[in-house]
Amino acid sequence: SAVISQKPSRDICQRGTSLTIQCQVDSQVTMMFWYRQQPGQSLTLIATANQGSEATYESGFVIDKFPISRPNLTFSTLTVSNMSPEDSSIYLCSVAPSTDTQYFGPGTRLTVL
Amino acid sequence: GNSVTQMEGPVTLSEEAFLTINCTYTATGYPSLFWYVQYPGEGLQLLLKATKADDKGSNKGFEATYRKETTSFHLEKGSVQVSDSAVYFCALSREKTSGSRLTFGEGTQLTVNP
Repeated sequence: SAVISQKPSRDICQRGTSLTIQCQVDSQVTMMFWYRQQPGQSLTLIATANQGSEATYESGFVIDKFPISRPNLTFSTLTVSNMSPEDSSIYLCSVAPSTDTQYFGPGTRLTVL
Repeated sequence: GNSVTQMEGPVTLSEEAFLTINCTYTATGYPSLFWYVQYPGEGLQLLLKATKADDKGSNKGFEATYRKETTSFHLEKGSVQVSDSAVYFCALSREKTSGSRLTFGEGTQLTVNP
């Protein structure tokens, strides 16, 4: 398994601003995943981040809106840019240390006013 | 493509009742199947998993059996507690590697009343 922390745990932001979410893992992992969970909905994969290469984005998500950094094997950031109220969601990171089982962080609860 | 369908919620039960949450999937080959649980205000926790046909995953009194013939992975618990109140997600992974994407069901909200 893996222990994952995220910062911040929650935030309230103004329209048009940007927020960077951090994800820290207690062990080295190759792949990290970023998800969005809109209110009352299931999880939607935003992108997959591999250390040393550009993130791979899913359909409907673009790098300009959700830039991702992956500077080393234990850390990643997701930025939500030029926010609007529609970006209000829980953002979760996850890792799969060795098999296809993913372990999730506690999430970042974002409210955009 | 891959898909997961869960029974519609919300589900409301009394304490000590029997729980079943249905999950069916569409995928080629032999995906891995998972149940995750999300308690209020928290992230997702892995509840149980199964990686091949007829495997039974179990944890905390919950069980689910990988049924290839019916493409199902129904979650069951014999006697629920108030503390089981949460949202339950069924998911599949088509490739058994660490880079494999998960496909999630819609989630089922469970409320257990004392």
